[in-house]
Amino acid sequence: GQNIDQPTEMTATEGAIVQINCTYQTSGFNGLFWYQQHAGEAPTFLSYNVLDGLEEKGRFSSFLSRSKGYSYLLLKELQMKDSASYLCAVRGNSNYQLIWGAGTKLIIKP
Amino acid sequence: DTEVTQTPKHLVMGMTNKKSLKCEQHMGHRAMYWYKQKAKKPPELMFVYSYEKLSINESVPSRFSPECPNSSLLNLHLHALQPEDSALYLCASSQQGAGTGTEAFFGQGTRLTVV
Repeated sequence: GQNIDQPTEMTATEGAIVQINCTYQTSGFNGLFWYQQHAGEAPTFLSYNVLDGLEEKGRFSSFLSRSKGYSYLLLKELQMKDSASYLCAVRGNSNYQLIWGAGTKLIIKP
Repeated sequence: DTEVTQTPKHLVMGMTNKKSLKCEQHMGHRAMYWYKQKAKKPPELMFVYSYEKLSINESVPSRFSPECPNSSLLNLHLHALQPEDSALYLCASSQQGAGTGTEAFFGQGTRLTVV
């Protein structure tokens, strides 16, 4: 079967760093996406990894290891507005279908 | 313009009503999607249109009927819905193919309540 695992919830402190992990088992791999979703709003694209390694984009970085079926999203200098759900999604064999993780709810405390 | 616009933002409808959700994008994307999302769950793919043709129908009940009038517009016609169909309906679009730059852009969604 196809499966994506992420922690259900994480808590971190404003100004700190947090790492959200995602492990996947899919039939086929054509890239991994991270999305941010605030409650009641649409998901917004954060990052895309298709090759092993780290992609950095401002305060957010995403890492991929295809051999381990593993990715993480690293958020630095956390701000209160970073409180949201973070969704990991893998594009498998289809160009259109994404396999979604259940999302990690990140709570930022002052 | 990197926006996907959905209307209406909120919709309450009875089980005998007929209504339509609308979605528009002007990014030149040729793939457009309808997703359904329940609270605290990830988006669930319903339909995919590629070059204005229905490419994927994820075994969605016929009370949901998609339509793609042109490359910028996507509609979802609703008829005889059930209370369990209440959810956030998300439209998305993307460039064709795989690789960098093919991420999906989502609209703000329509919060649908069936009474």
